[in-house]
Amino acid sequence: GESVGLHLPTLSVQEGDNSIINCAYSNSASDYFIWYKQESGKGPQFIIDIRSNMDKRQGQRVTVLLNKTVKHLSLQIAATQPGDSAVYFCAEISMFSGGYNKLIFGAGTRLAVHP
Amino acid sequence: DTGVSQNPRHKITKRGQNVTFRCDPISEHNRLYWYRQTLGQGPEFLTYFQNEAQLEKSRLLSDRFSAERPKGSFSTLEIQRTEQGDSAMYLCASSSLGGNQPQHFGDGTRLSIL
Repeated sequence: GESVGLHLPTLSVQEGDNSIINCAYSNSASDYFIWYKQESGKGPQFIIDIRSNMDKRQGQRVTVLLNKTVKHLSLQIAATQPGDSAVYFCAEISMFSGGYNKLIFGAGTRLAVHP
Repeated sequence: DTGVSQNPRHKITKRGQNVTFRCDPISEHNRLYWYRQTLGQGPEFLTYFQNEAQLEKSRLLSDRFSAERPKGSFSTLEIQRTEQGDSAMYLCASSSLGGNQPQHFGDGTRLSIL
């Protein structure tokens, strides 16, 4: 089937290693960020989020780091598994005046996990 | 399955035809969004509903596009007089009300214009 992100930067890792995926965001006023995982032929799947009043948040095998000074996010995946192979997007929230929001997605990174 | 559901999964049509896609959000979610994604890119925002009210539309949404959410539950996205450039994945997402709530996506409708 079709692949998401045919010409995206690729991070190749060995199974069991840790992975770090980086993302730069554009709006210094953004106060909420989400990492999504997208497998081929599927929609983006929520992984973890972080609010701007935090600089680190941990989930199951995943950690997100936020550096507001340089507008940088990273997603760390511990003990990477073949099932982690996908395209990863960071997204920042752009707020409308009514208090609701839309997601602004970054360019995406393909993670390839090799046995 | 209590996630966001989209139908059809794939649609192939000739240029100039009209197409309609359906999205069923997570049942308790008041907010519903449509996005479009082309190969190699992240999703781009198209429009937003809060309950039945369409509160925001992107400049990407030309007058050939119309979206509805008549009863505040499911939503439809219609494209009239389709063009080659409309070929893309159309994604629907929903979220709860409140400040920063994560948006949860369906698996999309892949539109191919012949």
